[in-house]
Amino acid sequence: AQSVAQPEDQVNVAEGNPLTVKCTYSVSGNPYLFWYVQYPNRGLQFLLKYITGDNLVKGSYGFEAEFNKSQTSFHLKKPSALVSDSALYFCAVRDAVTGGGNKLTFGTGTQLKVEL
Amino acid sequence: KAGVTQTPRYLIKTRGQQVTLSCSPISGHRSVSWYQQTPGQGLQFLFEYFSETQRNKGNFPGRFSGRQFSNSRSEMNVSTLELGDSALYLCASSPATLGTEAFFGQGTRLTVV
Repeated sequence: AQSVAQPEDQVNVAEGNPLTVKCTYSVSGNPYLFWYVQYPNRGLQFLLKYITGDNLVKGSYGFEAEFNKSQTSFHLKKPSALVSDSALYFCAVRDAVTGGGNKLTFGTGTQLKVEL
Repeated sequence: KAGVTQTPRYLIKTRGQQVTLSCSPISGHRSVSWYQQTPGQGLQFLFEYFSETQRNKGNFPGRFSGRQFSNSRSEMNVSTLELGDSALYLCASSPATLGTEAFFGQGTRLTVV
């Protein structure tokens, strides 16, 4: 079974400061890892993914994430936060087993609040 | 390229009724997955359809069902609605290629009264 943990329900950061949203995962095989963002009353928007290769993945809107296999983590980061980054962020995992389908297991979400 | 389209956006139903939600995936995508999002349970996987066949199923009662048509459009049905079925239902479409991300629709907000 696969699972994702997002240990912080909310992260507060001042605009211009770096931000980190934490994610750890558990999967039996190799993981496919994703970050999505959700604005109020909207669907999920894809930010970035790790499939294979470089551990540092760059995505949309200046976000990046670092895959750490030994710590089973995939933390989302941004060097300089914007007020417009305030939203709900979800980490998700999929087992890379061939034929395993597209089932995503999501974390509980982290509300990011960026203040002036 | 058009995104994932879910209809309707909002629904209000009475307990005991049934409801059908629709999802049109991105053109060329053969996989459609459904998720339920609630404040208490978060995002939970319902089922996935690929080429008209259910490929994966989550832990939901049999009142929740789905299907996929030959044009990849998908519907999900919930029968005998309960108050706890009130949620945002999200549809995601994916191409057949492994390792690609899923693209989500705006969701259907279902309220059961």
